[in-house]
Amino acid sequence: QKEVEQNSGPLSVPEGAIASLNCTYSDRGSQSFFWYRQYSGKSPELIMFIYSNGDKEDGRFTAQLNKASQYVSLLIRDSQPSDSATYLCALRGDSSYKLIFGSGTRLLVRP
Amino acid sequence: NAGVMQNPRHLVRRRGQEARLRCSPMKGHSHVYWYRQLPEEGLKFMVYLQKENIIDESGMPKERFSAEFPKEGPSILRIQQVVRGDSAAYFCASSVLSGVGQETQYFGPGTRLLVL
Repeated sequence: QKEVEQNSGPLSVPEGAIASLNCTYSDRGSQSFFWYRQYSGKSPELIMFIYSNGDKEDGRFTAQLNKASQYVSLLIRDSQPSDSATYLCALRGDSSYKLIFGSGTRLLVRP
Repeated sequence: NAGVMQNPRHLVRRRGQEARLRCSPMKGHSHVYWYRQLPEEGLKFMVYLQKENIIDESGMPKERFSAEFPKEGPSILRIQQVVRGDSAAYFCASSVLSGVGQETQYFGPGTRLLVL
């Protein structure tokens, strides 16, 4: 079992819709969770981080964390074609510094 | 305020040659991490360094790979006698503190290594 699981996609949504990206993890000791966006051929760009159970909103993005069920999700409201990218879920343990990444979900926003 | 800088951005080597990848962290950051990304995969941790110290190299292959972060100058990831399987994108990240807990790592643009 992989430490961080993501559906590879592609997830295709029409412009203006809500895109929902999900991530599950196996290590219950994981404490910090990050969503990175990566355009093709580019480096990962931090979108959001979340540490506590519940929702965290930042503009069009909402991160949701449920430690009991070991999943974290990212919602993108009013999706735009420019949101088309691969979204990487990453986590880190409480006393660890290395990020553990999922393989990413490719999102396509259709105009 | 310059971000994390990496060079070269693209590197082509023939099998058996050496590859040297350089990373300059963000200003004020003294913690450097190297990750490797194979095609269609997520990033995999390789090594964590502070100035003049390797803190964790558990993700580095035991042979041919080495890393350093000298007191002056950039961090260097060195791959000796490259093989085709080393072809990947190598990303460097940096942080202000140790990177645990809520500390955020910021990524550089990466070096795309192609081994012919």
